[in-house]
Amino acid sequence: GAVVSQHPSWVICKSGTSVKIECRSLDFQATTMFWYRQFPKQSLMLMATSNEGSKATYEQGVEKDKFLINHASLTLSTLTVTSAHPEDSSFYICSARGGSGNYEQYFGPGTRLTVT
Amino acid sequence: EDQVTQSPEALRLQEGESSSLNCSYTVSGLRGLFWYRQDPGKGPEFLFTLYSAGEEKEKERLKATLTKKESFLHITAPKPEDSATYLCAVSGAGSYQLTFGKGTKLSVIP
Repeated sequence: GAVVSQHPSWVICKSGTSVKIECRSLDFQATTMFWYRQFPKQSLMLMATSNEGSKATYEQGVEKDKFLINHASLTLSTLTVTSAHPEDSSFYICSARGGSGNYEQYFGPGTRLTVT
Repeated sequence: EDQVTQSPEALRLQEGESSSLNCSYTVSGLRGLFWYRQDPGKGPEFLFTLYSAGEEKEKERLKATLTKKESFLHITAPKPEDSATYLCAVSGAGSYQLTFGKGTKLSVIP
């Protein structure tokens, strides 16, 4: 149980284009989903928190107009990187949390984004 | 502000050589301490949640323990497949967000 998927697992895009990453909870309803970014040999950096049907809450320093997050259902959240630049190249990981009283986060396999 | 410090940063063990990883934390109103395993190029894999001091949980060769200031992940007779980065995280009062440590990279040599 508690499986989270991400799609795509890797993507290459050209500078200036946008790319969308999907995060799905496959066997539970995710009250809250989180988006992280991880640089090589570093720990996870929280980018934003989203609750189903609500606007995402972004961490300080994360541009909300650049990283668009949509959490339209209890099993799907999307992250869109708009007008991508090479410095946006990174490993993006989502996680999902179940209902009230559940504090565990279950992580997806991650998406490697390369902007050329 | 919640803080998590993991030590050592890296640990090399011979196969079968037991050891422990440390996670020291400061948090306002601990709601949970979490251990994850992360393999290169993959998302973290959930291992354990500990909620209160004195609690212990086991899974195969891994055992996690919790005190009021730190948690230990004990690895008994490790195998090469246990090689990974082990992450510790805490969730404090008023938030479901996790604060992560920088991780311990474990290498188990055959």
